[in-house]
Amino acid sequence: EAGVAQSPRYKIIEKRQSVAFWCNPISGHATLYWYQQILGQGPKLLIQFQNNGVVDDSQLPKDRFSAERLKGVDSTLKIQPAKLEDSAVYLCASSLRGTAEQETQYFGPGTRLLVL
Amino acid sequence: DAKTTQPPSMDCAEGRAANLPCNHSTISGNEYVYWYRQIHSQGPQYIIHGLKNNETNEMASLIITEDRKSSTLILPHATLRDTAVYYCIVRVAWTGTASKLTFGTGTRLQVTL
Repeated sequence: EAGVAQSPRYKIIEKRQSVAFWCNPISGHATLYWYQQILGQGPKLLIQFQNNGVVDDSQLPKDRFSAERLKGVDSTLKIQPAKLEDSAVYLCASSLRGTAEQETQYFGPGTRLLVL
Repeated sequence: DAKTTQPPSMDCAEGRAANLPCNHSTISGNEYVYWYRQIHSQGPQYIIHGLKNNETNEMASLIITEDRKSSTLILPHATLRDTAVYYCIVRVAWTGTASKLTFGTGTRLQVTL
């Protein structure tokens, strides 16, 4: 079974530029998550999709971050404009339904972003 | 979700058991204890979870105290590949469509020769 795919793996941009990350979840997984992990900290949930609908974006900085999941499969996370403090690893995860009490989340390898 | 407390780092000799503690004194009756680990430059990986009873799978064992205020993750024969950050997470058993994982800073386990 293929895992969660993410691209690119690394990205370096200058502040005020825009950047986009792509995620392809495990086939058949209805729920998709984007996490931000700053160096030395645990991952923090940015947004959760159930199929193509958003169920939790309470910690997404909506003035600069946006995400979409068209057709309920792949997802993109965009930052525009980027700030220095956005330097982090952006992790995508998926789970089968997102509603079961014991459901496991499977994580991709992440995209490491450096904002200069 | 309840907050967890873990030691920032631990060492373990290869081949020995690694016992990683977690305190979750404010856990509620409907909250599970989950363990994930994150090997350097990889995404987190699910290890095990439990509610009340002790659990064992091919990766590890989870021991939960009777009052459920603390737990221990046991890697029975640690290898160098077990070097990682281990996260203990308390998660509500049923949240409808929201099943957020709230990560702390975890325990950095270093397995040495």
